[in-house]
Amino acid sequence: DTGVSQDPRHKITKRGQNVTFRCDPISEHNRLYWYRQTLGQGPEFLTYFQNEAQLEKSRLLSDRFSAERPKGSFSTLEIQRTEQGDSAMYLCASSSHREFGSYEQYFGPGTRLTVT
Amino acid sequence: AQRVTQPEKLLSVFKGAPVELKCNYSYSGSPELFWYVQYSRQRLQLLLRHISRESIKGFTADLNKGETSFHLKKPFAQEEDSAMYYCALREGGSEKLVFGKGMKLTVNP
Repeated sequence: DTGVSQDPRHKITKRGQNVTFRCDPISEHNRLYWYRQTLGQGPEFLTYFQNEAQLEKSRLLSDRFSAERPKGSFSTLEIQRTEQGDSAMYLCASSSHREFGSYEQYFGPGTRLTVT
Repeated sequence: AQRVTQPEKLLSVFKGAPVELKCNYSYSGSPELFWYVQYSRQRLQLLLRHISRESIKGFTADLNKGETSFHLKKPFAQEEDSAMYYCALREGGSEKLVFGKGMKLTVNP
């Protein structure tokens, strides 16, 4: 499978614990995105990387959330001091740069976080 | 701020019936509009985008700037079309997609 991969697929944690998710984009995709999806909602944008630079962040990304893409390949999303409201599906997507026209974001299977 | 509205959460039709999944957007500039689909136990994937003006799996969508709509249509629904459908918008100068809440389409035999 050469698509976007995410690890773990499921995570159950207790409130107050820290969690870290990993995303491996499609090879040679220089753009990487994180979204969060709660029940009954569409995905909500969290942040975007072009290569290793984090270029866009949503207001949803509180100071408890941090994302990195140190070598411009895989990315990690860390949530510190988790809260029950953090329970959601965390989606990663990647795309390649296109000089003209629109582009396609390829999504991973997601990491489902449950905070108890 | 941009917003994407999918007014219906559920749509159930019989095989062979026409379907129209509605999407309205609120954005002052020139947006890019997309339809994403998620089949059962599969990941979210792009179905079509307005800029391509193409038909995918028999689906079409026309951007109507006057009505700020991007409705998805198919003249004859198939059982394999059953899925969650999300309308999404990308504004100029931004990389993020803004999604609607989604609509579940069920095509009955």
